[in-house]
Amino acid sequence: EAGVAQSPRYKIIEKRQSVAFWCNPISGHATLYWYQQILGQGPKLLIQFQNNGVVDDSQLPKDRFSAERLKGVDSTLKIQPAKLEDSAVYLCASNMIRGPNTEAFFGQGTRLTVV
Amino acid sequence: AQSVSQHNHHVILSEAASLELGCNYSYGGTVNLFWYVQYPGQHLQLLLKYFSGDPLVKGIKGFEAEFIKSKFSFNLRKPSVQWSDTAEYFCAVIRPSGGFKTIFGAGTRLFVKA
Repeated sequence: EAGVAQSPRYKIIEKRQSVAFWCNPISGHATLYWYQQILGQGPKLLIQFQNNGVVDDSQLPKDRFSAERLKGVDSTLKIQPAKLEDSAVYLCASNMIRGPNTEAFFGQGTRLTVV
Repeated sequence: AQSVSQHNHHVILSEAASLELGCNYSYGGTVNLFWYVQYPGQHLQLLLKYFSGDPLVKGIKGFEAEFIKSKFSFNLRKPSVQWSDTAEYFCAVIRPSGGFKTIFGAGTRLFVKA
């Protein structure tokens, strides 16, 4: 089966500019996650969707970050305006929750550099 | 406090040495446990996972991990490392009662000297 698709793979922008990332999860996976991985750290969850609804966005910096999953399939994550400290890899993951045993499948990520 | 703790941030080993990377979590109840590896310039890859059953789990590339419930631990082991094992290793936890989010540790950067 096809994996989680993300684009672009790399993005370089200047601070105060805006940027958007796109994710297409594995077909049939109702749950989608966006993570931020800063260099030298583990991935940190930004937001979790169940279909087109937000389950958890407690760690999303809502003053500058936004995410949507309007049709319950693909999703976009936007940063506006970007700051230097937003430089990171942004990972998208998805899973299909059936019972207690589940795992998430990760995309290759988008590496953002803010200069 | 961090919910998933990895004890070593950096480990340097010579080839053929044995490896053990520590991981502890602070959640009670049912958990699903994972180890991911991230080779330089590449994306996260699943090494192994534990859901239930035999607490000793075998994964790819000769890695294994042991779930010790009483110690809230899930340490990763490999009897003999290779230069190609140089990578960053992440322990991760999913709690079914916690919305099935994957919570990662900070990672351990392993460097294997040839």
